[in-house]
Amino acid sequence: QKEVEQNSGPLSVPEGAIASLNCTYSDRGSQSFFWYRQYSGKSPELIMSIYSNGDKEDGRFTAQLNKASQYVSLLIRDSQPSDSATYLCAVKGGGGSYIPTFGRGTSLIVHP
Amino acid sequence: EAGVAQSPRYKIIEKRQSVAFWCNPISGHATLYWYQQILGQGPKLLIQFQNNGVVDDSQLPKDRFSAERLKGVDSTLKIQPAKLEDSAVYLCATRTGVGTDTQYFGPGTRLTVL
Repeated sequence: QKEVEQNSGPLSVPEGAIASLNCTYSDRGSQSFFWYRQYSGKSPELIMSIYSNGDKEDGRFTAQLNKASQYVSLLIRDSQPSDSATYLCAVKGGGGSYIPTFGRGTSLIVHP
Repeated sequence: EAGVAQSPRYKIIEKRQSVAFWCNPISGHATLYWYQQILGQGPKLLIQFQNNGVVDDSQLPKDRFSAERLKGVDSTLKIQPAKLEDSAVYLCATRTGVGTDTQYFGPGTRLTVL
């Protein structure tokens, strides 16, 4: 059974701070890693994907992947109240089919 | 470009009743997924279609759930009979199927089983 673990939170950070969200996964053969943002009552929206070890930056977001330790993280710099949402980590194994496994998500609250 | 459409947006039924959900993908997206998201959990994949063929339905409770995508475009997901534990949001997502992992989610259907 492939598992993706996330702390459900909530993680509370002040506006302007760095929010750090973490995710661990059980399948060592995993190849693709994704972070989705889900506002309350809305559907998930892809914000970052990462495929190789190291950091990937996109605006205020940085995804970090460490396959040896089987974890992936998301950093949000200069956090804004509009970043308050649940962040879902999703992991896809190797092979041709796209069967992602989602974590339960971490609730982030950015307070003014 | 229009997004993924789903209907109905909300549905309330009694247990043991039947219900059907509909999904219209983004034009040209060959891959379609149905997910179940129970409150407080991440989405769980129920079934994946590639055009009108099933790629994976290993997590679909086949004794009560069924899904089809007859012409490789629209898809329906049916539950018959519903149980209390089926209360969830049912999300449809689509992907072009070529050279990208990006899925686009529809707004979902929130099902409440009483």
